Amino acid sequence: QVQLQESGPGLVKPSETLSLTCTVSGGSISNYYWSWIRQPPGKGLEWLGYIYNSGSTNYNPSLKSRVTISVDTSNNQLSLKLTSVTAADTAIYYCARGWYDSLGWYFDLWGRGTLVTVSS
Amino acid sequence: ERVMTQSPATLSVSPGERATLSCRASQSVGSSLAWYQQNPGQAPRLLIYGASTRATGIPARFSGSGSGTEFTLTISSLQSEDFAVYYCQHIFTFGPGTKVDIK
Repeated sequence: QVQLQESGPGLVKPSETLSLTCTVSGGSISNYYWSWIRQPPGKGLEWLGYIYNSGSTNYNPSLKSRVTISVDTSNNQLSLKLTSVTAADTAIYYCARGWYDSLGWYFDLWGRGTLVTVSS
Repeated sequence: ERVMTQSPATLSVSPGERATLSCRASQSVGSSLAWYQQNPGQAPRLLIYGASTRATGIPARFSGSGSGTEFTLTISSLQSEDFAVYYCQHIFTFGPGTKVDIK
């Protein structure tokens, strides 16, 4: 079965770049809308963006200038980069498999998430 | 931009009882509405998509209904593992969540 696993530094300094990787095992990284979604501690969910078929991207307008999502198909990994971070970027970051069909958009598979704290 | 709201913020229910959660969209979203369950310390889990289609492996006690701007998630008989936070979602926007706790 397909599994997602996020990895990366748990602590990032203010103004630096947050970089995370999501490894997709047990299945192909093609043909889905691979997304990053975050959740500040004790708060709700915020979609950051997706990459589709290794090239097409779409980002949350509120973060668009700071977010980059890319994919490494040879290693079945997707990556997130978020620049110029502040304490407001402290959150659990999830990678999720998204899909869109006649029944709408939904995220049917999630990683366990990784907590990133922004602090000096 | 569509705004998703959920009510109530917290719902206290006894085990075995029915829970009814609401989600409202600021503009019509047709049937493009999904529901997720999040237990403490875990990632969200897809329950319902297309407003009423249960995801793979989701027990029949979970059902979704509604269209347009008003949606409902019903849990027919609450089990211990159902006490969690529930989110609705339309495209890339999530509602603020409803916490279902033990009465």
